[in-house]
Amino acid sequence: DADVTQTPRNRITKTGKRIMLECSQTKGHDRMYWYRQDPGLGLRLIYYSFDVKDINKGEISDGYSVSRQAQAKFSLSLESAIPNQTALYFCATSDNRVREETQYFGPGTRLLVL
Amino acid sequence: AQTVTQSQPEMSVQEAETVTLSCTYDTSESNYYLFWYKQPPSRQMILVIRQEAYKQQNATENRFSVNFQKAAKSFSLKISDSQLGDTAMYFCAFTSPNSGYALNFGKGTSLLVTP
Repeated sequence: DADVTQTPRNRITKTGKRIMLECSQTKGHDRMYWYRQDPGLGLRLIYYSFDVKDINKGEISDGYSVSRQAQAKFSLSLESAIPNQTALYFCATSDNRVREETQYFGPGTRLLVL
Repeated sequence: AQTVTQSQPEMSVQEAETVTLSCTYDTSESNYYLFWYKQPPSRQMILVIRQEAYKQQNATENRFSVNFQKAAKSFSLKISDSQLGDTAMYFCAFTSPNSGYALNFGKGTSLLVTP
């Protein structure tokens, strides 16, 4: 969905480096989410945010941090990357004003940690 | 915690035929939503269909329909008149207020549509 963008689309980094994955949306949604996808495991929740003052940990938040800089921006940071953080990362948004709870996904960021 | 189970890691169907993908879930909540998402080789996550638990009527979207059996906690996806473009990974997902409306995904079913 072009309304949810992620940068970069692909990233290679080395163990111990700090990196940031960025997510922006033009949908006007309050809720934003970060998921991680590993082969054979589906998508798992890292963090989610209901607004700029509300950040919540998900199932697999260890080793990650987030920042909700504005309603439209939600960044995911790996403070010290490790190889088992190699995965496909998705940002998603949903609208709390309608009772449908559909999440709209960005195109994903493929991260390789060497 | 809710769990979502997709028991078919891989499936294959011929073009124009019908295929059904299975999904079961476990929850004690009464207010929740169920989804099927499609992930083609482009890796984009695309919503296929949505079902609200409070609705008894099964959702349909063109060639896609679900069989929602609330008592059995089953939520299968039927694809009619399969097309080559339906080749993708299909994920079943669950969400509810108690989870912050975050999605809880199954491990996926890889569907191959053959000519």
